[in-house]
Amino acid sequence: DIQMTQSPSSLSASVGDRVTITCRASQGIGNYVAWYQQKPGKVPKLLIYSASTLQSGVPSRFSGRGSGTDFTLTISNVQPEDIATYFCQNYNRAPLTFGPGTKLNI
Amino acid sequence: EVQLVESGGGLQQPGGSLRLSCGASGFNFKNYALNWVRQAPGQGLQWVSSISRGDTYYADSVKGRFTISRDNSKSVVYLQINSLRADDTAIYYCTKVRVGDGYIYGASDVWGPGTMVTVSS
Repeated sequence: DIQMTQSPSSLSASVGDRVTITCRASQGIGNYVAWYQQKPGKVPKLLIYSASTLQSGVPSRFSGRGSGTDFTLTISNVQPEDIATYFCQNYNRAPLTFGPGTKLNI
Repeated sequence: EVQLVESGGGLQQPGGSLRLSCGASGFNFKNYALNWVRQAPGQGLQWVSSISRGDTYYADSVKGRFTISRDNSKSVVYLQINSLRADDTAIYYCTKVRVGDGYIYGASDVWGPGTMVTVSS
């Protein structure tokens, strides 16, 4: 099975900062990675798919990069509404594993 | 509007059974793979099961106890959960795969609000 790890597990930022979250797959998975945002008490929301493609309606301050085993989610110009936990997911092959999450505090 | 709505959760004793349902609307249901993803209280997301047009997939932790199925005529996907254990306690989300090619290998672009399953004596 493909394991997904994320770092850091939590981070603090100030409004206007640029933050980067890293996700690493235990095997190469091409660009079959999605990133989700889950705000407290809410349903997860798709931000990015195919490692770097922004889902419709997602602000352009979110961006994704990577392929193979190493992936990043960057939030430039962090806003108060970005307080959430961010999860990466492998969808290259089953099991469609999620990373453990990165909690962003402002 | 594309929508998923789960139902069927509740409180069950260990060893019991539940059938979760997920009703879909707003898209051509038969063309899309669907997933079940769960989240234990205060924990992260765990993929549970997926169903394509004809194949089913399960996490090792639920294989043999959970059964996913779909009724394209009703636009509903089900998750039959047997031999419930305390660690099955979670919110269960139904999700739709973004691409309508029928395969499970895609991001989840639509999520239902979830249904809570609590396993306790």
